[in-house]
Amino acid sequence: AQSVSQHNHHVILSEAASLELGCNYSYGGTVNLFWYVQYPGQHLQLLLKYFSGDPLVKGIKGFEAEFIKSKFSFNLRKPSVQWSDTAEYFCAVNANNAGNMLTFGGGTRLMVKP
Amino acid sequence: GAGVSQSPSNKVTEKGKDVELRCDPISGHTALYWYRQSLGQGLEFLIYFQGNSAPDKSGLPSDRFSAERTGGSVSTLTIQRTQQEDSAVYLCASSLQGAWHEQYFGPGTRLTVT
Repeated sequence: AQSVSQHNHHVILSEAASLELGCNYSYGGTVNLFWYVQYPGQHLQLLLKYFSGDPLVKGIKGFEAEFIKSKFSFNLRKPSVQWSDTAEYFCAVNANNAGNMLTFGGGTRLMVKP
Repeated sequence: GAGVSQSPSNKVTEKGKDVELRCDPISGHTALYWYRQSLGQGLEFLIYFQGNSAPDKSGLPSDRFSAERTGGSVSTLTIQRTQQEDSAVYLCASSLQGAWHEQYFGPGTRLTVT
């Protein structure tokens, strides 16, 4: 069964700092990759997704992620964070032979100090 | 349009009681998912419905958990003889058919078993 690891559980940054959140998965076949975000008091919502093509995908609010197949990674990046980016971020994987369900990482809580 | 709705938003129950959690998916979404988010952990897949196909129950943690989806729309997750370890936020998501489609999440039901 596939698993997803997010090694950073808590990240604290100052505004304008650059962000990179790690995500690694353990599945050797074809995968679909997602980053979801949960702002305080809100629902989970999709930031970006990768299915095929350009491994560098751009999402909402200036976020991007790069799929590196050889490293089984899909790290999330943002060049300059804002206080409003304070949220919990979840990486998720769908393995093509495992139905449509998502396997989520444990999440990373990001706090951006104003 | 309306998003995924769940009820109740909060449920406190005594150990050993049965509970029912409800999910109303987005109209037209054929896929419906239940996930569980326990304190300090990521999201754990429970069950998946797709159209009229048999549900994928591979994530249900025990036979105390069951779910049904009536008329291809509303879904109910039932937990019998609740235990304290069942305390968690239960999230429902819906999507169009196909793993490449975004899963839209509801606000969740916070279940506390005392």
